[in-house]
Amino acid sequence: GAGVSQSPSNKVTEKGKDVELRCDPISGHTALYWYRQSLGQGLEFLIYFQGNSAPDKSGLPSDRFSAERTGGSVSTLTIQRTQQEDSAVYLCASSLEGLAGTEQFFGPGTRLTVL
Amino acid sequence: GDSVTQMEGPVTLSEEAFLTINCTYTATGYPSLFWYVQYPGEGLQLLLKATKADDKGSNKGFEATYRKETTSFHLEKGSVQVSDSAVYFCALKMGGANAGKSTFGDGTTLTVKP
Repeated sequence: GAGVSQSPSNKVTEKGKDVELRCDPISGHTALYWYRQSLGQGLEFLIYFQGNSAPDKSGLPSDRFSAERTGGSVSTLTIQRTQQEDSAVYLCASSLEGLAGTEQFFGPGTRLTVL
Repeated sequence: GDSVTQMEGPVTLSEEAFLTINCTYTATGYPSLFWYVQYPGEGLQLLLKATKADDKGSNKGFEATYRKETTSFHLEKGSVQVSDSAVYFCALKMGGANAGKSTFGDGTTLTVKP
């Protein structure tokens, strides 16, 4: 079956512009995660959605970052007034449920470059 | 807060050499532990996991044992192949009230030469 998909695969934008990154999780997966991977670094947790519960936004680095998940499926990560330090690969993952031992399935990522 | 510390890379080995990539963690509770792998040009994928103390995860010849007493989850393989060249990430995931949040190490790049 289809895995996690993300779009666009690459995004180049100018400083100060807004960007939207999209994630389509695996069908039936109730949990969805966004991470940021900067060059040579590990994955930085951004936000987590589980079913209809309020999302865990504790990893969002500033109020310029927001995310929503519509209908329990597709998610959009929005970065307003982008800065050069926002340049990174943004990864989305989904899992069947949010329990501790559950495997996460990752998408290919969106590489964001802010000029 | 929770944290994962991985052995720094890059690591370069000859084919058939023994591999160890160290991983230690700090967590307030009892996490599940994971190793994810990212092959060149591909996305992250699960390599193995362990959900409680003394559990051993294994896959593709790789093994890691959840050691609560040393808060470690070291990755080992007895004989590496060129195809094992990849970036390896150690990660922990909490349950309960903190379910969902995952903490990853910085990754260790492994290169295996023929």
